[in-house]
Amino acid sequence: ETGVTQTPRHLVMGMTNKKSLKCEQHLGHNAMYWYKQSAKKPLELMFVYNFKEQTENNSVPSRFSPECPNSSHLFLHLHTLQPEDSALYLCASSQVGTSGVSTDTQYFGPGTRLTVL
Amino acid sequence: AQKVTQAQTEISVVEKEDVTLDCVYETRDTTYYLFWYKQPPSGELVFLIRRNSFDEQNEISGRYSWNFQKSTSSFNFTITASQVVDSAVYFCALRGTNTGNQFYFGTGTSLTVIP
Repeated sequence: ETGVTQTPRHLVMGMTNKKSLKCEQHLGHNAMYWYKQSAKKPLELMFVYNFKEQTENNSVPSRFSPECPNSSHLFLHLHTLQPEDSALYLCASSQVGTSGVSTDTQYFGPGTRLTVL
Repeated sequence: AQKVTQAQTEISVVEKEDVTLDCVYETRDTTYYLFWYKQPPSGELVFLIRRNSFDEQNEISGRYSWNFQKSTSSFNFTITASQVVDSAVYFCALRGTNTGNQFYFGTGTSLTVIP
């Protein structure tokens, strides 16, 4: 595997289900991100992890719960979602300098297309 | 405030035509980075180019070229002799140096190249 991979690629779930999205980066980066992409809207940054520590949470509802067990893996745990949460969820990674500022580009995975019924 | 505006929502061109995608940005940072990404129907955002605010030299890569002008806060992207494979949504993005790692994306321009 190369680059950033995401599984599953497609997910359909009911509002009462619990599911998880997985992201893995094979680039040796130390920062990972979750974005939400809805139709006709800019990409929305959800969470940022630097060196496995969460550094940003952009007012994301608690029904989205991220987990970063190591610098290569990132999960997004989903529970009690709403239909408006249907979107493409993109994972990205980058290399962050010691000051915490990214010194490189963000590289994206293919996304998980989530549909909440 | 950081903001990226891509005023063109959708563009259609006939194959082999040239097309320019506009990007206008706002930032108060003196050092910042600008990016272009391509998102084909498969969904993955593919990195195309990064420019830093100190380098206004235009860049050409094959059929792609970028025109960075700080005076007008623009970072436009031109595809020469467009091909059907260029059909995608193109995003311009900005990252400042005072906002951590956060990228600010435009709403994207959907390009359709008609054979």
